[in-house]
Amino acid sequence: SQQGEEDPQALSIQEGENATMNCSYKTSINNLQWYRQNSGRGLVHLILIRSNEREKHSGRLRVTLDTSKKSSSLLITASRAADTASYFCATDRTGANNLFFGTGTRLTVIP
Amino acid sequence: EAGVAQSPRYKIIEKRQSVAFWCNPISGHATLYWYQQILGQGPKLLIQFQNNGVVDDSQLPKDRFSAERLKGVDSTLKIQPAKLEDSAVYLCASRPTVPRDRGSNEQFFGPGTRLTVL
Repeated sequence: SQQGEEDPQALSIQEGENATMNCSYKTSINNLQWYRQNSGRGLVHLILIRSNEREKHSGRLRVTLDTSKKSSSLLITASRAADTASYFCATDRTGANNLFFGTGTRLTVIP
Repeated sequence: EAGVAQSPRYKIIEKRQSVAFWCNPISGHATLYWYQQILGQGPKLLIQFQNNGVVDDSQLPKDRFSAERLKGVDSTLKIQPAKLEDSAVYLCASRPTVPRDRGSNEQFFGPGTRLTVL
């Protein structure tokens, strides 16, 4: 079963705007990761945040984690058309050997 | 470094036929995963290998799916016989033995094989 759920399921914005995606999960985690998937391609790792971290930045990406609410958000600033893709959160669950992926957010950035 | 290779990229078969997918992970990656991704959903783990041993196959429908990694390098996933609901993208991923981010479970994905069962 899916570990996490992202919302919104789909998001459409204009180029230059910021995009925010949210992820909720159910169990204790070691870390949470965000991946991007372009249409017809595999997933690409974007950023990882550990369970003892609250915020992390990487370029135009900002991720937050609230373990008390079991939720995370991914912010993409100054979006570009090339950011159009599906974004998935994945949890590295305590005691497990693998990742559990959410349902994904489909982001469309309109030039 | 070369990425995770998968073949074929696309496959169309009729139900009850058999199909096999091949994956070659990044050189030196001991851990290999097979995921099933149904349209509109996130990837779901089917099986995880550590070298040539199975770590987790709890989500693998063993009545029709099988996978092997005989020499601990490349891997094959087979479906026999296929059902309509097996239509999906099958993703292979690998993980380095020593992650660049300590404690990370970052995985590297191949492009996937899109299977259509008619």
